[in-house]
Amino acid sequence: AQRVTQPEKLLSVFKGAPVELKCNYSYSGSPELFWYVQYSRQRLQLLLRHISRESIKGFTADLNKGETSFHLKKPFAQEEDSAMYYCALSGGYNKLIFGAGTRLAVHP
Amino acid sequence: GAGVSQSPSNKVTEKGKDVELRCDPISGHTALYWYRQSLGQGLEFLIYFQGNSAPDKSGLPSDRFSAERTGGSVSTLTIQRTQQEDSAVYLCASSLAWGRGPGELFFGEGSRLTVL
Repeated sequence: AQRVTQPEKLLSVFKGAPVELKCNYSYSGSPELFWYVQYSRQRLQLLLRHISRESIKGFTADLNKGETSFHLKKPFAQEEDSAMYYCALSGGYNKLIFGAGTRLAVHP
Repeated sequence: GAGVSQSPSNKVTEKGKDVELRCDPISGHTALYWYRQSLGQGLEFLIYFQGNSAPDKSGLPSDRFSAERTGGSVSTLTIQRTQQEDSAVYLCASSLAWGRGPGELFFGEGSRLTVL
C-alpha cells in the first residue's frame, strides 16, 4: 500500500534559520515524489518533484530510497515561505497520494 | 477558463440531504482528481478519472459517495444522505497526465461543505 507520513503538523522557525520538512513514504516499487504548497488564501500548487532535481524558491528535496524519505530543505527561511506544505507520492499510473501536511511558520 | 473551476464554493446542507459538487477542469487535461481536505487530516484521495473512466475508486469513503465525468471534461461528485462527518473542503484537480505518472496537478479553490 502507498502511504505518506509527515510527522510534524507545525514547524516554527525564525527568519534566516534552516528549514527541514520531513516526509517518509511507504511503497514497494519505484515512486515519484512531489512537494506541493498552499500559501494563505491561494490554491494548492506544485513546488517541486524529485525527477526534476531542481531548486525552487531556494527549496531542494532529495529522494533517499534507503531511508524512504523525501525531506524538503531550505538553508535560510524567509517570512514568505510561511505556508502549508504537502508531500505526495505516485506509485505508478496517475494516482497521487498526499500526506497530512506540515504548516511552516517563519517568524521575523 | 484559465484554471480549474469548482462550484459551489460554499454549501451548507442539512443532514440527510443529497449534494452535488461540480468541477470544470482545465481544457485538454485528461486526468481529473477529487480530494477531501479535513482539518488535521490532510488531503484524502477520493477518486481519479482518466478521460471518462475511473481506474481507481478506492478512496470513496462509502457507497453514499459517487462521481462521474462526461465528455472527458466536467465532473460531478455526489454525496447522498449527507452526514456531519462529510463536512470538509472538497478539492478538484486536473492534469495533462499521459502515460506513467500524474504530471503536475492544477487545483481548484475547493467546495466547502458544511452538514448541519
